[in-house]
Amino acid sequence: AQSVSQHNHHVILSEAASLELGCNYSYGGTVNLFWYVQYPGQHLQLLLKYFSGDPLVKGIKGFEAEFIKSKFSFNLRKPSVQWSDTAEYFCAGHSGNTPLVFGKGTRLSVIA
Amino acid sequence: EAQVTQNPRYLITVTGKKLTVTCSQNMNHEYMSWYRQDPGLGLRQIYYSMNVEVTDKGDVPEGYKVSRKEKRNFPLILESPSPNQTSLYFCASSFAGVPYYGYTFGSGTRLTVV
Repeated sequence: AQSVSQHNHHVILSEAASLELGCNYSYGGTVNLFWYVQYPGQHLQLLLKYFSGDPLVKGIKGFEAEFIKSKFSFNLRKPSVQWSDTAEYFCAGHSGNTPLVFGKGTRLSVIA
Repeated sequence: EAQVTQNPRYLITVTGKKLTVTCSQNMNHEYMSWYRQDPGLGLRQIYYSMNVEVTDKGDVPEGYKVSRKEKRNFPLILESPSPNQTSLYFCASSFAGVPYYGYTFGSGTRLTVV
C-alpha cells in the first residue's frame, strides 16, 4: 500500500538553528509530494509541493524541500528557524487517482 | 474568498445522539475528504468523494457516514456517536486534475462525546 512516513515525532531546536525533517514515501511511478504546516489551534496550510522538474522546491516562509527519487525521500529544510515556526508539519503524497496520504506528523518546538 | 467551511467549530454531545458536521466549499472542487486528527496518530482519512454521488471509505470509516448530493457539500454523519469518536475533524477539498494541487482544509471541528 502507498504510504508516507515521517521519521521524527518531536524535534526541539533553538532559534536560528537549521531544520531538516525527514519524509519517505513508498509510491511507485509518478508521485506528487507535499508539506503542510499546522500552527497551534489552526488548520493545515500548504507549505510547498512537488510535481516534476527541479527536485529542489521552494515554499513559503523560507522553507524548501528536496525530492530525491533514489532515496524515496522529500525532506523539508529551513536554514534558520524562528520561534514562530513552532508547529506540526505533515508530509503527504499522491499518485494517480489515489487519495492524498499523510504521514503521522512531526511536532517542531523552537525555543529562544 | 476561496474556502472550505465547516460547522460547528466545537461540539460536545452525548453517546448515541446522532449528529452531522457540515462541510461546504466554494471552489468547484471535485475531491472532498474527511479526516480525523488524534495525538500521535496524525491525520487519518475517514471517507472521501471523487465527485457527486461518488464516495468511498478511507482508513477509518467505522461509525461514520457521508453523502455527496451536491458538488459543494460533503456532510459527515455520526449516527450513534461513541466516546472513541472524540477527536478533531477536518474537511478538505481539491481539484481532481493533473497535476494534483493538494487539499484546501477547513478550520476543523473539535468533537467531544461524553
